[in-house]
Amino acid sequence: DAGVTQSPTHLIKTRGQQVTLRCSPKSGHDTVSWYQQALGQGPQFIFQYYEEEERQRGNFPDRFSGHQFPNYSSELNVNALLLGDSALYLCASSPWVGNIQYFGAGTRLSVL
Amino acid sequence: GESVGLHLPTLSVQEGDNSIINCAYSNSASDYFIWYKQESGKGPQFIIDIRSNMDKRQGQRVTVLLNKTVKHLSLQIAATQPGDSAVYFCAENYLGGAQKLVFGQGTRLTINP
Repeated sequence: DAGVTQSPTHLIKTRGQQVTLRCSPKSGHDTVSWYQQALGQGPQFIFQYYEEEERQRGNFPDRFSGHQFPNYSSELNVNALLLGDSALYLCASSPWVGNIQYFGAGTRLSVL
Repeated sequence: GESVGLHLPTLSVQEGDNSIINCAYSNSASDYFIWYKQESGKGPQFIIDIRSNMDKRQGQRVTVLLNKTVKHLSLQIAATQPGDSAVYFCAENYLGGAQKLVFGQGTRLTINP
């Protein structure tokens, strides 16, 4: 049983560019959450998707947007990249009625 | 606002000893807590969780203690092994709301041979 998978593993972009990160949830999970983890910090909640809709959003600007597909996979899009967007982006999945979130290995984004 | 913090950013223990990692939380409405382990280059891995109607829960070599009076959470690891070296995060959530975990900064656990 595959766990949460994310792609790509690493990405290098320049300021002002746009990026799309992808996530496939654990089998049987229908809810996907995205987190940003800066170096040396704990993950910070960006938003959560269920039934192809954004259900909850953390304190992140509109440059951060997402999408969930009918097969429950999800994308995180970041526009107009800033140097401060450099971080590890984590995807977590769970059943909507469950509590435990299972994380992928993340995508390391570097903005130059 | 909501916050989850940790008393110690680093902890070094001898192999075979017990480890205790502490966490303080500030949101009295939080009723669900999770400990995660994050190894270098990996995502957080679920260790153990506890609901606010409990004060202790045991897993394999791990025990979580919850003291709601002082808003304190701890993770005890018995007979620490080299493979336990990692950063440990506590996270809180309010089950009446969405599944939005609030993480602390983390404690790095180092095992000395």
